[in-house]
Amino acid sequence: GENVEQHPSTLSVQEGDSAVIKCTYSDSASNYFPWYKQELGKGPQLIIDIRSNVGEKKDQRIAVTLNKTAKHFSLHITETQPEDSAVYFCAASKGGSYIPTFGRGTSLIVHP
Amino acid sequence: EADIYQTPRYLVIGTGKKITLECSQTMGHDKMYWYQQDPGMELHLIHYSYGVNSTEKGDLSSESTVSRIRTEHFPLTLESARPSHTSQYLCASSEYTRSGNTIYFGEGSWLTVV
Repeated sequence: GENVEQHPSTLSVQEGDSAVIKCTYSDSASNYFPWYKQELGKGPQLIIDIRSNVGEKKDQRIAVTLNKTAKHFSLHITETQPEDSAVYFCAASKGGSYIPTFGRGTSLIVHP
Repeated sequence: EADIYQTPRYLVIGTGKKITLECSQTMGHDKMYWYQQDPGMELHLIHYSYGVNSTEKGDLSSESTVSRIRTEHFPLTLESARPSHTSQYLCASSEYTRSGNTIYFGEGSWLTVV
């Protein structure tokens, strides 16, 4: 089955810095990679996703990059703000499967 | 975007009690899920459903049971709660978009068994 490794488990940055969270996957058939943000006391919310036929996708301060050959994808947050503090989860799934494999999560702390 | 409603949000109950966590979604999604999560930790899939009258066990063994009699409703039941069941339970549903199978989560139900 699919295995998704996510690093780091904790990331602490100063407001205004960039933050990068990396995930690797094992199943080369995986073709859909969403990222979720979970704020304290809430459920995870989709913030950005990417398909395997795309190398990069941006949405304002958030970007995701995908390297299919190396089987890894990353979340990039620029100009971090305290409200970016949350737990971020990556996931991988393949066509025909409705069960994604999630990473273990990264706790991002943005210090004002 | 999907609207997923979970009740109760917070519940403290005694050992041995039976409880049902309610989950409803209004978007007509066929696929629904239950995840168990300790605070800030991994998401563990405990049950899922592909549609009405379909239920499957997830990766994490759970003593809970689910039912799917209506598309919009996917309740989770614990027949006899124990302190080890103390956790957050997240309900979700999904739709297949151009990107892929996108999962939408509810706000969660925090269960404490004393």
